[in-house]
Amino acid sequence: SQTIHQWPATLVQPVGSPLSLECTVEGTSNPNLYWYRQAAGRGLQLLFYSVGIGQISSEVPQNLSASRPQDRQFILSSKKLLLSDSGFYLCAWSVGTGFYEQYFGPGTRLTVT
Amino acid sequence: AQKVTQAQTEISVVEKEDVTLDCVYETRDTTYYLFWYKQPPSGELVFLIRRNSFDEQNEISGRYSWNFQKSTSSFNFTITASQVVDSAVYFCALSYGSNDYKLSFGAGTTVTVRA
Repeated sequence: SQTIHQWPATLVQPVGSPLSLECTVEGTSNPNLYWYRQAAGRGLQLLFYSVGIGQISSEVPQNLSASRPQDRQFILSSKKLLLSDSGFYLCAWSVGTGFYEQYFGPGTRLTVT
Repeated sequence: AQKVTQAQTEISVVEKEDVTLDCVYETRDTTYYLFWYKQPPSGELVFLIRRNSFDEQNEISGRYSWNFQKSTSSFNFTITASQVVDSAVYFCALSYGSNDYKLSFGAGTTVTVRA
């Protein structure tokens, strides 16, 4: 069966510090991968998505970036965090082609101080 | 452009009451998919249902049921005989992007079921 992991679970970082959040999927090949951010009490905002290794698309301009170095690994990064980067970051995957349901990881709660 | 509206921000019910969550969507796509997700206090989103735009049959799964009405662009979700474990935030989502398989989420409805 498929499993999606995210780490760390929680993170407290000062403004201006770098960020690296990791997401890995097990039990499937060539998944579509997604990064979402959920601000407190708000809906989900799609940040990045990837349909293959090295293929990254951004939905909104921001100081974040994403990379997909391996088929089932998706990394969210920032060189310098802003206060507004605080939130709940969720990684998700879906199967290959078609609008199939996305399955979400447990999330990382990031607080920028 | 696609848009999902969940007008109800919060709903509070007493256990065993039925609760209906509204979802209204806008899209220019002729083929699209609609989804519902549940986010319990733990934070992880749980997939509940996927429905394509050509299938307007209502669906029932245990205490959950969904009413899809294309004419009114609505995909409502009902929990029958609610239980405390149903307390969560519920999100409706709409597909978009021809080859990117993306979802646009509504703002969510917080359901609180009181014992």
